[in-house]
Amino acid sequence: DGGITQSPKYLFRKEGQNVTLSCEQNLNHDAMYWYRQDPGQGLRLIYYSQIVNDFQKGDIAEGYSVSREKKESFPLTVTSAQKNPTAFYLCASREPAISGNTIYFGEGSWLTVV
Amino acid sequence: SQQGEEDPQALSIQEGENATMNCSYKTSINNLQWYRQNSGRGLVHLILIRSNEREKHSGRLRVTLDTSKKSSSLLITASRAADTASYFCATSGRAGGTSYGKLTFGQGTILTVHP
Repeated sequence: DGGITQSPKYLFRKEGQNVTLSCEQNLNHDAMYWYRQDPGQGLRLIYYSQIVNDFQKGDIAEGYSVSREKKESFPLTVTSAQKNPTAFYLCASREPAISGNTIYFGEGSWLTVV
Repeated sequence: SQQGEEDPQALSIQEGENATMNCSYKTSINNLQWYRQNSGRGLVHLILIRSNEREKHSGRLRVTLDTSKKSSSLLITASRAADTASYFCATSGRAGGTSYGKLTFGQGTILTVHP
């Protein structure tokens, strides 16, 4: 099955802890993205990566970190510096332009601070 | 800041009616895409329109793009209860620009289709 897999689906974090959300894709896409979605809101871009070993900050990168050591993997760490991390997190990858530029999303991860 | 802004924020219609959602953006784009999201799920791609295209159709969907007004519209014809979802537009910056590779989504339109 080709696609994007996010894990875990639900995650609870104690205040002051770092947590890492996994995102794996077997679509052979170079570009990958992390978005945050708050209830009833749109998607806000946290980080994006256009190629292995490279990534750029999005609009709300503070309190988050990423790595892109492998093409198929783009994990997101929510650090203790993120003051309001409770949200729905979505990972995506994008086809190259020559194939149509379509973005594919994972099913998301719900993070709750307890 | 959000590049795309959808309008209206919420739309409630009866089955069989048409639904029109609009999206405005601020900077030059390479293409614009529309996505659908069922509650608590990931987004599903609906249709992509390139900056040099003006209209595109896919089944019951019709998308228009007006680059001079920096706006796009999504029309769903003969709506069904199963079309109930949130709809988002996403823009991709032009190659060579500062936003190249960056995908920005609007706030979305919540569509409710009553049976």
